[in-house]
Amino acid sequence: DTAVSQTPKYLVTQMGNDKSIKCEQNLGHDTMYWYKQDSKKFLKIMFSYNNKELIINETVPNRFSPKSPDKAHLNLHINSLELGDSAVYFCASSLLRQVSGNTIYFGEGSWLTVV
Amino acid sequence: GENVEQHPSTLSVQEGDSAVIKCTYSDSASNYFPWYKQELGKGPQLIIDIRSNVGEKKDQRIAVTLNKTAKHFSLHITETQPEDSAVYFCAASKGNNRLAFGKGNQVVVIP
Repeated sequence: DTAVSQTPKYLVTQMGNDKSIKCEQNLGHDTMYWYKQDSKKFLKIMFSYNNKELIINETVPNRFSPKSPDKAHLNLHINSLELGDSAVYFCASSLLRQVSGNTIYFGEGSWLTVV
Repeated sequence: GENVEQHPSTLSVQEGDSAVIKCTYSDSASNYFPWYKQELGKGPQLIIDIRSNVGEKKDQRIAVTLNKTAKHFSLHITETQPEDSAVYFCAASKGNNRLAFGKGNQVVVIP
């Protein structure tokens, strides 16, 4: 009955490799996100999709490419991994509300270590 | 964009005492203020939130207060327990789907 699930939970890979992280939500939400949490615990938004359309695209290297096949899935593909990409990546979802704030639900995180 | 500051960065309290974490925000248009708790090895989990049309909200041992004039909001945890030890994040949003997070507070409850 996991609400926002992402895989893999742990990923260790070498520099230069390409890797993907998958995310799925069963909350019926229409908006999904990728956040990055660095070693200092700072949470920063990377991307957001609403009904499969990209609505937020922060200043992220173009080696990072999100893909949303449907509104319940948002995957993150990373090309040519660098040491600085090591972090915890959180998938999240919510309903998009135009008037009042929307509650965002996070997955358990994917720990990426680039060696 | 919105800038959220969180103080203190680390807070140690004796079990049973109260803990208070304060956040300030910069954008007066922000109208939604959630608090998240992140335990070790897990994702942030929403524990309480408040919208700009109320000044205080309480849920058992947790309460949040909002001062729109001063642009700050606080999390209050009463009768702290060891399981309250975690990193707490405040955030602010102005009705779009963009949440600006503070840098987090490490709360340590000493048994």
